[in-house]
Order: sequence, then C-alpha cells, then structure tokens
Amino acid sequence: QVQLVQSGAEVKKPGASVKVSCKASGYTFTSYGISWVRQAPGQGLEWMGWISAYNGNTNYAQKLQGRVTMTTDTSTSTAYMELRSLRSDDTAVYYCARAIAAADPGGDYWGQGTLVTVSS
Amino acid sequence: QSVLTQPPSASGTPGQRVTISCSGSSSNIGSNTVNWYQQLPGTAPKLLIYSNNQRPSGVPDRFSGSKSGTSASLAISGLQSEDEADYYCAAWDDSLNGGVFGGGTKLTVL
Repeated sequence: QVQLVQSGAEVKKPGASVKVSCKASGYTFTSYGISWVRQAPGQGLEWMGWISAYNGNTNYAQKLQGRVTMTTDTSTSTAYMELRSLRSDDTAVYYCARAIAAADPGGDYWGQGTLVTVSS
Repeated sequence: QSVLTQPPSASGTPGQRVTISCSGSSSNIGSNTVNWYQQLPGTAPKLLIYSNNQRPSGVPDRFSGSKSGTSASLAISGLQSEDEADYYCAAWDDSLNGGVFGGGTKLTVL
C-alpha cells in the first residue's frame, strides 16, 4: 500500500534551516510528483510547492521563492524539503503528499506530518 | 486571507444532508478542477473528492462534489458523527502558477 513516512519533529532557532524528509513506498516513486503543504497552528492549509520525482523539475510558491528547495533521491524513494532563514511564522506542521500531476494542489496520499517549531 | 472562500463553519444533525461551498475566480476554479480534503482532528488531510466530483476508492458515496463556473460545493448526505472534521477545497491557480486552498470549514455534527 502507498505510504509516505516523514521525519520527526524539529525545533529550530530563527535564521536557521530545516530539512524535512518524506520516504515513499508502495508505488513507483518516479511516476508521480511530491507536493509540500504546511499548516500553521490552528490555521488552514498552504501550498508550498511541487517536485517531479521523474526529472526533478520544481515549482515553488511565490512567497517562498529563494528560501525553499525541494529535492528527491530516487535511489531511496525519498523527497526532501529544505526551508532556510526560518522565522517564527514558519512554525507549522509540514506535509508531503503524492501529487497526481504537476498542477495538483495537494495529493492523493499524505505523510503523517512533521512539526517544525521556530523559537529563540 | 485565502484565495478560495469557504464558510468557517457548518453543522447538521445525524442523517441530515449538508453542503459546503467554495468560491474562487476565473484563474482557479473557473479554469481548473477542484479537490476536497477531509482533516480529522490531529491527523493529516485525506483526499475526499478529486476532479470536481470523483471519489477515490474507499470514500463513501455519501460524499459528492460539484462545480459550476467559479464555485464548487461538497455535499455530505446521511451525516454521521465521524464526519465531524475540517473540510478544505483546493484548486490550481493559473495566475499564481501554484496551488490554492480554501480557509477550511469546520463541520459539527450536533
């Protein structure tokens, strides 16, 4: 069965970077993309971007351009999301999801989420 | 301020039918398909409806979606207590070249 398993919770100081992993199993990794979506405490969902696991093409949300990098490692079927220059308003649960297409705002299978807390 | 507009709350009694609306614009709902996600408390979102009105395998047919112009709706019939959750609509936005979500609707089963 399709599974996306994310790395554990992180606590970071303002200005630092965080890298969240998302290990996929149960399907051909390179046949789909990976979307990243975050959710601040008590807030709604926010699309962060998408990466093709086939060729590494990316598309990032305009507000995160320059601070976010999404990558994949096809040898381990793992996707990564790195966010730099962290601020307190980056505190959120970060989700990866299997994207059906490049223009998929979310996905059909989701990881369990990774809480990133930014605090001095 | 979310790009897609949803009512913040909705409610119904067991067995009732409830609908949740999602309003957008020509650059998102008006030109792309709509997905709906269900998020139970403390869990990850789950795909409920894709391509406006398609249900993934395993989603009960009590859930249905529709789209007209720049608006979409999620209908839940035969409401059950386990349907109490947050519901989000989502679509691709051609102007932003990115995904956009509604602010979410908290459904309470009375």
